[in-house]
Amino acid sequence: QVQLQESGPGLVKPSETLSLICSVSGDSMGSSSYYWSWIRQPAGGQLEWIGRMYATGSDDYNASLKSRFAIMMDTSKNQFSLKVSSVSAADTAKYFCARGRSSVGFDYWGQGIQVTVSS
Amino acid sequence: SYVLSQPPSVSVAPGQTATITCKGDNIGTLTTHWYQQKPGQAPRRVVYDNVARPSGIPVRFSASKSENTATLTIDRVEAGDEADYYCQVWNSGGDILYVFGTATKVTVL
Repeated sequence: QVQLQESGPGLVKPSETLSLICSVSGDSMGSSSYYWSWIRQPAGGQLEWIGRMYATGSDDYNASLKSRFAIMMDTSKNQFSLKVSSVSAADTAKYFCARGRSSVGFDYWGQGIQVTVSS
Repeated sequence: SYVLSQPPSVSVAPGQTATITCKGDNIGTLTTHWYQQKPGQAPRRVVYDNVARPSGIPVRFSASKSENTATLTIDRVEAGDEADYYCQVWNSGGDILYVFGTATKVTVL
């Protein structure tokens, strides 16, 4: 059974960098045929795909979010991470990591981690 | 960027049929998936690859598509089906590869 678990701070100050980690079990990221994504959801709001990474190291991002987001993968730890620079209140949301592919959608999700941006 | 529009809410009595639409330009040509999200939980796939059901999802959940509309149908609605439902497409070549719909809250009366 594939499992994903997000970890990181629940509170970040404006203008700082948010760092989240997604730990994966049940699938080897380095050899998986799936992509590894971050998705966020503001309170009461809709889901927004942030970006994804593949085992080869290739990545793609939501073009509407500009360049503040970066996803990295550590296959030795079977983890991938998200860094969001220069955060603002608009980045307050629940952040999910998920495994997916175009033909199957997102089949496994983490439980999500609530991140609040506030001084 | 590509937009998927869903009705904000659908209300249905137990045992009846809930129909949730997802409208997008030429959605009929895009691989479409559907998710169920209950309060405080992560989304869960209920339909993938347009019409397929993941293991464990009841046959009461089905989906279809036309040129500009994808539809999720829940037959014989139960109280446990009350949740938010999202459509999602694979927008290959788009500025946003994975696009989610605006969500539909299904209320079981």
